[in-house]
Amino acid sequence: NAGVTQTPKFQVLKTGQSMTLQCAQDMNHNSMYWYRQDPGMGLRLIYYSASEGTTDKGEVPNGYNVSRLNKREFSLRLESAAPSQTSVYFCASRGAGGDTQYFGPGTRLTVL
Amino acid sequence: SQQGEEDPQALSIQEGENATMNCSYKTSINNLQWYRQNSGRGLVHLILIRSNEREKHSGRLRVTLDTSKKSSSLLITASRAADTASYFCATGKGEGNKLVFGAGTILRVKS
Repeated sequence: NAGVTQTPKFQVLKTGQSMTLQCAQDMNHNSMYWYRQDPGMGLRLIYYSASEGTTDKGEVPNGYNVSRLNKREFSLRLESAAPSQTSVYFCASRGAGGDTQYFGPGTRLTVL
Repeated sequence: SQQGEEDPQALSIQEGENATMNCSYKTSINNLQWYRQNSGRGLVHLILIRSNEREKHSGRLRVTLDTSKKSSSLLITASRAADTASYFCATGKGEGNKLVFGAGTILRVKS
């Protein structure tokens, strides 16, 4: 099992460009999450999906959209990137009946 | 806003010594979890303690939870150089057990 995978690993954007971060899990988990991690801070929740077709805002959703394409995949889209969105983005998943979240390796995004 | 605050921000010890990290939080929780992050990598789950538990062990890890003080501690015994990493506490609550993370403690174990 690969667990949680994320693509790309690194990305550099110019202000105003758009991009989609991809996340997939092969653990048959219902819940999936997107977080961002800024230097010197813990992770902050951007969006959450309890199941296919449902999404919910987290602590810092502004400037982002998400799509739960199917049970395996949960994508995060930046429509018009801003320098404040420079961060490391982590995707996580959680199985039904459990509280542990399993994290992907992260995407390091720089917006110039 | 971050729920958890961790103390100390950084800790440097010799191999073989014990390392203690503390976490405080502000609101009621379902559970509290500790994660480890090696430099440039994703987070790895270490241990979870539920709000009705007071202490839990896993290998060299010992976690305590005091809900009256809204605080938790993580003890790593007989530390090794491979324990060098950042350690985060995260509180889970509400639908979906959404996690709120502290800013983390950077642990350096010198060999």
